[in-house]
Amino acid sequence: GAGVSQSPSNKVTEKGKDVELRCDPISGHTALYWYRQSLGQGLEFLIYFQGNSAPDKSGLPSDRFSAERTGGSVSTLTIQRTQQEDSAVYLCASSSGRGETQYFGPGTRLLVL
Amino acid sequence: EDKVVQSPLSLVVHEGDTVTLNCSYEVTNFRSLLWYKQEKKAPTFLFMLTSSGIEKKSGRLSSILDKKELFSILNITATQTGDSAVYLCAVSMDSNYQLIWGAGTKLIIKP
Repeated sequence: GAGVSQSPSNKVTEKGKDVELRCDPISGHTALYWYRQSLGQGLEFLIYFQGNSAPDKSGLPSDRFSAERTGGSVSTLTIQRTQQEDSAVYLCASSSGRGETQYFGPGTRLLVL
Repeated sequence: EDKVVQSPLSLVVHEGDTVTLNCSYEVTNFRSLLWYKQEKKAPTFLFMLTSSGIEKKSGRLSSILDKKELFSILNITATQTGDSAVYLCAVSMDSNYQLIWGAGTKLIIKP
């Protein structure tokens, strides 16, 4: 596609529910990143996928967070048993390779009530 | 510890003014420095700088890197209300695929 797309753009859920956030990177980009940005804060790295290599999950804040990338393209970030502190904007970015410029999707704003 | 520091944290100016945003860094195996503009949700890419002293320019925005003093500046001339945003600086390294992000400078342009 022309750019990184994410869905949904907004998600409101109740505490304790599971949510799935989707990212479709730029076609041909091998690297995919997930970030979290809380209100008024900087970008917090969550997870990184590069090609068929094992993902770097070092930024995931707890075992309630997981992500997968199917076929080296679309990625899904799953948050289980959501908590109010999970409320944030979740941003996905892709790049053509290691250390290259990252291009961001429009983000998903998650609100946990 | 690798870090990127931006200053000021926030800045309020009037339309037509010129602003300079700063980004300093301490990282191992520096590869490039990137500037992004974040208006609502998604940061949009502005510049990538890899060499010292070479100015990158796009319209009223320009940026330059000093690899000896480990900093970059982003200049915006003849500011407009549409320039209001958070400006993010990030550094990439040869040894790591992650970007090290600064906290951003929140720029507000008053009409």
